[in-house]
Amino acid sequence: NAGVTQTPKFRVLKTGQSMTLLCAQDMNHEYMYWYRQDPGMGLRLIHYSVGEGTTAKGEVPDGYNVSRLKKQNFLLGLESAAPSQTSVYFCASSRRLAGDGSDTQYFGPGTRLTVL
Amino acid sequence: GEDVEQSLFLSVREGDSSVINCTYTDSSSTYLYWYKQEPGAGLQLLTYIFSNMDMKQDQRLTVLLNKKDKHLSLRIADTQTGDSAIYFCAESATRGGADGLTFGKGTHLIIQP
Repeated sequence: NAGVTQTPKFRVLKTGQSMTLLCAQDMNHEYMYWYRQDPGMGLRLIHYSVGEGTTAKGEVPDGYNVSRLKKQNFLLGLESAAPSQTSVYFCASSRRLAGDGSDTQYFGPGTRLTVL
Repeated sequence: GEDVEQSLFLSVREGDSSVINCTYTDSSSTYLYWYKQEPGAGLQLLTYIFSNMDMKQDQRLTVLLNKKDKHLSLRIADTQTGDSAIYFCAESATRGGADGLTFGKGTHLIIQP
């Protein structure tokens, strides 16, 4: 049981390049999330998904797209990277509503992205 | 809009208790969480509390919730060097944060020998 995994762990892009970050979870969770973390800031929600084939915008969605074609995977895409997207990206997942309060979010180890 | 505030730094001596404070503005915040982040790692859930609770204790951790003042605190008893990390307070109006969590900026806990 690996939990939430993210690939790649590190990446350097030039302005205008595109890339896709992959998040995978093996806990059969319904919900998945992408956050970004910037120095001195808490995590901010980019996009999230409440089920396969569905996505929704979070607090800071501009410049990003997502897809949830399979329940276990959540992809975050940058079509034309900008220096303002330099950040650490965290993926998280959680189960559908449970009755015992255990339905909280589990986080991956993060992807450190630098855009030059 | 929703806002979660925390002090940026807290310095304590090893063996003392640490108290990390958090305030939130969203009156519909029903679920409140404490996460720990060690250097270079992801976030690890420490504990959570529902708005119908005032206190929750889990080994060395005690969470206190004052709903009237919208104030949440995390007390770590007998602080050890391994507790050195960034602690994030997070809130959600929906169970499990189904539409995402709102995080504070994090409190850096510094342990002095």
